[in-house]
Amino acid sequence: DAGVTQSPTHLIKTRGQHVTLRCSPISGHKSVSWYQQVLGQGPQFIFQYYEKEERGRGNFPDRFSARQFPNYSSELNVNALLLGDSALYLCASSLVAGRTEAFFGQGTRLTVV
Amino acid sequence: KNEVEQSPQNLTAQEGEFITINCSYSVGISALHWLQQHPGGGIVSLFMLSSGKKKHGRLIATINIQEKHSSLHITASHPRDSAVYICAALAGNYGGSQGNLIFGKGTKLSVKP
Repeated sequence: DAGVTQSPTHLIKTRGQHVTLRCSPISGHKSVSWYQQVLGQGPQFIFQYYEKEERGRGNFPDRFSARQFPNYSSELNVNALLLGDSALYLCASSLVAGRTEAFFGQGTRLTVV
Repeated sequence: KNEVEQSPQNLTAQEGEFITINCSYSVGISALHWLQQHPGGGIVSLFMLSSGKKKHGRLIATINIQEKHSSLHITASHPRDSAVYICAALAGNYGGSQGNLIFGKGTKLSVKP
């Protein structure tokens, strides 16, 4: 069975550019959450989507946006990239939002130069 | 003060030693995850528990809901156990979500042969 898959695995962008990160949840999972992990810190909650609707948003600026598609895959978009956006972006899927075990992808390592 | 605190931050052990990592939280939770993160970044879910104790191989996780405390134990530690161990509280209605994870900063474990 395929686990949570994220693409790309690594990405280098320039300040001011835009980036799109993608996540495919485990088959049958309807909830996707996005987290940002800066080096040396624990992950921080960015967004939660369940049944294609945004169900929660963490303390991130409006430059961060996301969506969930009918097949439950998800995209995280970040506009006007800053150096401080450099981080590991993790996607987690679960069967039911906030109720069942979360499974994580390998993450996308974003470097902004 | 972080809502999820882990101790110790760093831990070095000799192969075969019994290891304990502690996690305290200040938010109301429905469950707590113990996660393992290797240098490549990917996160693996070890346990999700809401009461009592769970065991998987050499790993044991316990939680005391009244005291808001959880522990992860590793028996007969091995160099391949070297990783960052993260506890994450599944908190309801955090950031307006239907429950998402609030992470500790992680405990970096190094097991020497």
